[in-house]
Formats: sequence, C-alpha cells, structure tokens
Amino acid sequence: NFLLTQPHSVSESPGQTVTISCSGSGGIVGANYVMWFQQRPGRAPTTVIIENDRRFSGVPDRFSGSIDRSSNSALLIISGVKTEDEADYYCQSYDNNNLKVFGGGTKLTVL
Amino acid sequence: QVQLRESGPSLVKPSETLTLNCLVSNWSMTIGHNWAWIRQAPGQGLEWVASVWPGGPTTYNPSLKGRVAITADASKNQFSLTLTSVTAADTAVYYCARDGPMDYWGQGLLVTVSS
Repeated sequence: NFLLTQPHSVSESPGQTVTISCSGSGGIVGANYVMWFQQRPGRAPTTVIIENDRRFSGVPDRFSGSIDRSSNSALLIISGVKTEDEADYYCQSYDNNNLKVFGGGTKLTVL
Repeated sequence: QVQLRESGPSLVKPSETLTLNCLVSNWSMTIGHNWAWIRQAPGQGLEWVASVWPGGPTTYNPSLKGRVAITADASKNQFSLTLTSVTAADTAVYYCARDGPMDYWGQGLLVTVSS
C-alpha cells in the first residue's frame, strides 16, 4: 500500500518560512503528480499546488511545492508566512493503481 | 470560474442508501474532465471516494467495498454518488470536485447517518 505521511502539526512565526513534508512509503513520491490543498477551519478545501510544483490560479507566490527524492517526500514551502495561512494542509498523490491517496493532513499554526 | 454545488439529504438512517448530486456551473461537462467525490468524517482528514469521466471509466476507493457508485450526466451538467448500506462510519462532509487534478471544489454537504 502506498501511504503518504504528514506531520500532525507545525508552527512558525509570521514572516518566517515553513516547510510541510509529505513522506511516501510503499512507493516513490514524484512518480506520480503530487497536489497540495489548504483547508481553513469550517471551510471546503482549496487547491494550492498541482503537478508537484505548479501554483493553482490565484495562489500567492509565497507558496511553492517541490519533490525531495533523497527523502522520498513532497514539500510545501510557505515563505513569509502570514496569519491568514493558518489552516490544515493536505498532500495528495496516486498509488500504483492510479487511485488517489491523501496524506493525513498538517495543521499549520502561525504564532 | 468553475462552481460546484452538492445537494442531497442531511440525515440518512443506517442500512439505507445515500444519493448525492453535484451540479456544475460555468463549465460544460461535455468538454471533458474527470469529476470526483471526496469525504471528510468529523475531525478527520480527507478521503477520496470515487471519480468518473462522463461516458467513460469510473474509479473507486477500494475501502468502500463495492457499496459505492458514481455516475455523470454531462447533458445536465451534474454527477452523482450512491452509497448503499450506510453506517455511522459514513457520517461525513461530502465534497464534489472537478478532477484531473482536483482543482475546483464544492462547499460540502454534511451527511449524518443516524436512526
């Protein structure tokens, strides 16, 4: 089984850079595209990153995505983090049968 | 931009069948794209349920063990999800989304399974 593991929570101060990891097991992260979604409390998810590193329409360039092949992980990097970025973030990719798999989500707190 | 809106019952009894609809606006489903259902149990993460290409293949989360079916009617610009033999474990917010990749999402519909 292909699993995506995210840290349960991360926190950072406003203006700093925060990195959220999405580690794969049972498969190679980046062999299929990775997407990232933001979900603010009580709201529907919105799309942040598609196809590993492409920002979705309207997403600030503070957000970037990458694949770290050395750690078999996808990374969501938020530069100059703002209080409005407080949310849950989910990664998503595909297993060997091309079925969608979500990571468990990471709660970002901006102190 | 593309808009999606879920509709269906907010309360379903155990063992009954749940049917949800998603109406798509500002995009013609006849053009193409996959369409998906995703759910989120209270306090939990996102779970992909099913995807469909109108007139084409469907894919399902194996964990739903044959209880789920997704259909699409491109002429009506809507697609649907049917989940049979529901239990309390199916209580969740159900989201529909344009797929391939998932980019536009509906606002979600809370469905509670309870007698």
